[in-house]
Amino acid sequence: GAGVSQTPSNKVTEKGKYVELRCDPISGHTALYWYRQSLGQGPEFLIYFQGTGAADDSGLPNDRFFAVRPEGSVSTLKIQRTERGDSAVYLCASSPQFNRGPSYNEQFFGPGTRLTVL
Amino acid sequence: AQSVAQPEDQVNVAEGNPLTVKCTYSVSGNPYLFWYVQYPNRGLQFLLKYITGDNLVKGSYGFEAEFNKSQTSFHLKKPSALVSDSALYFCAVRGSTPTGNQFYFGTGTSLTVIP
Repeated sequence: GAGVSQTPSNKVTEKGKYVELRCDPISGHTALYWYRQSLGQGPEFLIYFQGTGAADDSGLPNDRFFAVRPEGSVSTLKIQRTERGDSAVYLCASSPQFNRGPSYNEQFFGPGTRLTVL
Repeated sequence: AQSVAQPEDQVNVAEGNPLTVKCTYSVSGNPYLFWYVQYPNRGLQFLLKYITGDNLVKGSYGFEAEFNKSQTSFHLKKPSALVSDSALYFCAVRGSTPTGNQFYFGTGTSLTVIP
C-alpha cells in the first residue's frame, strides 16, 4: 500500500520567505509526527498530532513554526520568516492508533523534504 | 530527561562477520526502545522495538537487539553481516510527557559492511 508521502521533496527559498511543507500519512493512521534532521544528526522531534489536535508541540523551536492537521489526515508544517538555520530535512511520520495492534508505537516515515534557505 | 546515545559514529565490519551497533538510553519509567535504518535518499525504516517481555527482540532483515536494563543498553546485532546492510542506523526511545509522547533519536551510526 501507499506509504507516507511528503511534498515537495526539495524546497529552496530565500531568507525571510514563508514556506509550507506537506505530509500525507498512511490512511487510517491517527498519530502524526514532524521531525527536523540536520546533517549528521538524528531526527529532532518538533510536534505530534493525535487526530486533529496537536498533542505535543514542545519541540517547535519558536513561534515562526506552526503545524496543522485540520481533518486528521494531511498535515502542513508552516515556517514564517525563514532563516538560514532552518535549512534541514523535515521528516514526517505516521503511526496507527496509539495503543492498539502489532504496530503499536511504530512510526512509518516519509522520504522527507529538504529545505534550503539561502 | 529522556535521551539515547550512540557512542560510535562509524562501524566497519567484514561481510559474513557478526555486527553490533551500540545504544544506551536514559529514560524515566519503563523504556520503549526502537531501532530504525536509513538508506541513502530514503526515509527511515522501522527495524524492531522493545516494549515489554523477552529481552531479546527479533526484527526485520535478520536483525535483533538485546535489552539490558542493568546496563541501560539496547545494542543492535546481526549474526552475519551483508553488504546490503550498509546504512545509517538510529536508536530511539519513547519518552512520556504530560501532554503527549516524544521520540528521542540518537545521532546515528554509519555501518559499512566490507565485501
